[in-house]
Amino acid sequence: DQQVKQNSPSLSVQEGRISILNCDYTNSMFDYFLWYKKYPAEGPTFLISISSIKDKNEDGRFTVFLNKSAKHLSLHIVPSQPGDSAVYFCAASARRIQGAQKLVFGQGTRLTINP
Amino acid sequence: NAGVTQTPKFRVLKTGQSMTLLCAQDMNHEYMYWYRQDPGMGLRLIHYSVGEGTTAKGEVPDGYNVSRLKKQNFLLGLESAAPSQTSVYFCASRTGSPGELFFGEGSRLTVL
Repeated sequence: DQQVKQNSPSLSVQEGRISILNCDYTNSMFDYFLWYKKYPAEGPTFLISISSIKDKNEDGRFTVFLNKSAKHLSLHIVPSQPGDSAVYFCAASARRIQGAQKLVFGQGTRLTINP
Repeated sequence: NAGVTQTPKFRVLKTGQSMTLLCAQDMNHEYMYWYRQDPGMGLRLIHYSVGEGTTAKGEVPDGYNVSRLKKQNFLLGLESAAPSQTSVYFCASRTGSPGELFFGEGSRLTVL
């Protein structure tokens, strides 16, 4: 049972345009969400997070939106740059009941930025 | 600044052989994790530890054992390797307060 789903295995975007990566979750106990970025032959690195008490969090070119009623979050990258080409993982945890001990990850979306 | 270090980075095993993956972190983190990454499956949690001397099962613990004898080290063992354990293994750590995980570079294991 996949509790965190990224239904798009891949996404191709032109440089300078907006990249939108989507993530859906099924567990209503999740209250903290993160995005990780992974380059080939490297470990994932933290990108941005959002708590369920917010619906938006912004950090430079990266913005994460959370729609709790739809159990959906998205990552917007504006403007997209060639260095953004990577695999992006969405992750979720239930801090209130598990103390954020565990993160559940989605399958990942491979983003390719075309020049 | 080493962060999270995994050894070995590559290993080929025959079915039935045993091995241990070592994860070491120098950030004094309380929590440590072992994940495996498989195509189309994302990162799945194998085992984790919330402090020295503690371990707990994750989503896919079968066929693996772990130990956290020292705070800075988290060992993942395969007692009898199977081809289904062919994967890329990632170790991660974080502080006690909710926050992001810091990952190692990964260990690619192939079981023939």
